[in-house]
Amino acid sequence: EPEVTQTPSHQVTQMGQEVILRCVPISNHLYFYWYRQILGQKVEFLVSFYNNEISEKSEIFDDQFSVERPDGSNFTLKIRSTKLEDSAMYFCASSLLYEQYFGPGTRLTVT
Amino acid sequence: AQTVTQSQPEMSVQEAETVTLSCTYDTSESDYYLFWYKQPPSRQMILVIRQEAYKQQNATENRFSVNFQKAAKSFSLKISDSQLGDAAMYFCAYRIGYGGATNKLIFGTGTLLAVQP
Repeated sequence: EPEVTQTPSHQVTQMGQEVILRCVPISNHLYFYWYRQILGQKVEFLVSFYNNEISEKSEIFDDQFSVERPDGSNFTLKIRSTKLEDSAMYFCASSLLYEQYFGPGTRLTVT
Repeated sequence: AQTVTQSQPEMSVQEAETVTLSCTYDTSESDYYLFWYKQPPSRQMILVIRQEAYKQQNATENRFSVNFQKAAKSFSLKISDSQLGDAAMYFCAYRIGYGGATNKLIFGTGTLLAVQP
């Protein structure tokens, strides 16, 4: 069964460094999303992406964040200058219609 | 703004018994979708079941079923014949139905389900 994959599973970085989180959505899906979950809290929407552009973004998704679909398979989230409060689990999701399928997540730890 | 509320932070059930997790939501929309996601300790988000607001019939997936009360804005999840593998955090989620498939999911705060052997 096709699934969303994410790499790396765990990323440790120092405050102020840039990180790129990678996702491979399900191959025939058209809509892509990033969510984050701070430990012990609920899952929060960051951004949605369709037809090579951002469809919607939350207030969390400020100028430090960017997304890209550099080729036909990858979907990336870049955080330009990480802060301690960016430490969280980041989930990529994709959908063809209304059901969103999530990847296993990348645990980002900012020290 | 749409909100999703899960009022039970933790629940416990005996193996083979039935448990119901509660979810309420607030929206002024008439066209929307509701979901239950399961998050085991691995923290993977797994789609359990989906309900379209325009459907009166409650969704069912094997041992999982929902009680969708549109007027009351209530969407509870019933797990029958609970198994040890059902132990997880369960999140209720909402999304607007119109506007294509780009709309975000809005999640509740989750209910941690423990299954006792």
